[in-house]
Amino acid sequence: NAGVMQNPRHLVRRRGQEARLRCSPMKGHSHVYWYRQLPEEGLKFMVYLQKENIIDESGMPKERFSAEFPKEGPSILRIQQVVRGDSAAYFCASSPPDSGSSYEQYFGPGTRLTVT
Amino acid sequence: AQTVTQSQPEMSVQEAETVTLSCTYDTSESNYYLFWYKQPPSRQMILVIRQEAYKQQNATENRFSVNFQKAAKSFSLKISDSQLGDTAMYFCAFRGGGADGLTFGKGTHLIIQP
Repeated sequence: NAGVMQNPRHLVRRRGQEARLRCSPMKGHSHVYWYRQLPEEGLKFMVYLQKENIIDESGMPKERFSAEFPKEGPSILRIQQVVRGDSAAYFCASSPPDSGSSYEQYFGPGTRLTVT
Repeated sequence: AQTVTQSQPEMSVQEAETVTLSCTYDTSESNYYLFWYKQPPSRQMILVIRQEAYKQQNATENRFSVNFQKAAKSFSLKISDSQLGDTAMYFCAFRGGGADGLTFGKGTHLIIQP
């Protein structure tokens, strides 16, 4: 059973460009979470999605950031008009629909975004 | 909102020693979950151990165990017989009773010296 897949692993964008980060959850998992890790910091929750629904986006910046988890295909975190402050590691995690209420989250390897 | 505090930015011990990493949290919820994650230089987040708040018994996974003090809102991680491969960042994390996002502490950088 493949783990959580994220691509690309490294992404370089110039200021003002768009960044698209992809996450394929583990097989059978229907919950997807996105986190951001700034240098020397812990992970910060951004958004929680289920198929075709955003459940909680309380950690998502109000502008330029969006996320989706379509019926088919990976979850996408999209950052428009990137700025240097968006440089960070972005992690995706997934959990199964019902794991005895523990909803244990399994993390992908992360995408390191560098904005030049 | 929940907060998670790790007061030790860095710790260093000799191989085979026992080390304890501290974590405190603040919440008004009665049902929740606590986790310790390990992040080695590869940056992959690896779940080390999990504790359900409703369970009084401390969780144990091989060399890793926790001291969960619910009233004090404390959740420390003990690593016995430490190994060089234990060198990593360790993050304490909190999750409420539902399928919510995790709240992480800032981490403790653990260095195991040969």
